[in-house]
Amino acid sequence: AQSVTQPDIHITVSEGASLELRCNYSYGATPYLFWYVQSPGQGLQLLLKYFSGDTLVQGIKGFEAEFKRSQSSFNLRKPSVHWSDAAEYFCAVGTLTGANNLFFGTGTRLTVIP
Amino acid sequence: DAGVIQSPRHEVTEMGQEVTLRCKPISGHNSLFWYRQTMMRGLELLIYFNNNVPIDDSGMPEDRFSAKMPNASFSTLKIQPSEPRDSAVYFCASSPPRGQGPDTQYFGPGTRLTVL
Repeated sequence: AQSVTQPDIHITVSEGASLELRCNYSYGATPYLFWYVQSPGQGLQLLLKYFSGDTLVQGIKGFEAEFKRSQSSFNLRKPSVHWSDAAEYFCAVGTLTGANNLFFGTGTRLTVIP
Repeated sequence: DAGVIQSPRHEVTEMGQEVTLRCKPISGHNSLFWYRQTMMRGLELLIYFNNNVPIDDSGMPEDRFSAKMPNASFSTLKIQPSEPRDSAVYFCASSPPRGQGPDTQYFGPGTRLTVL
């Protein structure tokens, strides 16, 4: 069965510093991978997604993620964090066949300090 | 285009009362999902519909919970009777017709439910 692990519950970075949020998935075939962001009091918003092709995908708000099959990872990165990036970040995996639903990780809360 | 619309945004009720949450998916989307989010359990999928048909309701916690989708533009999640442990934020999401794989889910703003 497919699953997603986000090993970091909470990360704190300084404004302007680089960011990497980790995501590991478990699935036997090529996964469909997503990163969502949730600002306080808001719903989830898609940052980026990977279906196939180039393993480095660009998203909104200056985020990017790299799919590494050998490591079963899809880590999210941003070269310079802004205070407005403080939020909860969710990684999710879906599959080619079967159900249309996504499996979400438990989320990583990002705090940005001045 | 309007996004996913949920109502009410906030609901405060007393234990034992019936609660109905409403969702209008994005026009043209044919999959609809109901999630519950709590600090303790994170984001949980309760049920999802495809073409108005419930596909997987294994996440529905108890018989007190029921969901319907009478047409492509409306869905309800009902809790009867409600209990304090049902307090959570309930999200509705929709996604467009599936191509080769699962597509992006678009989330509504959520309904914050408080059961006293």
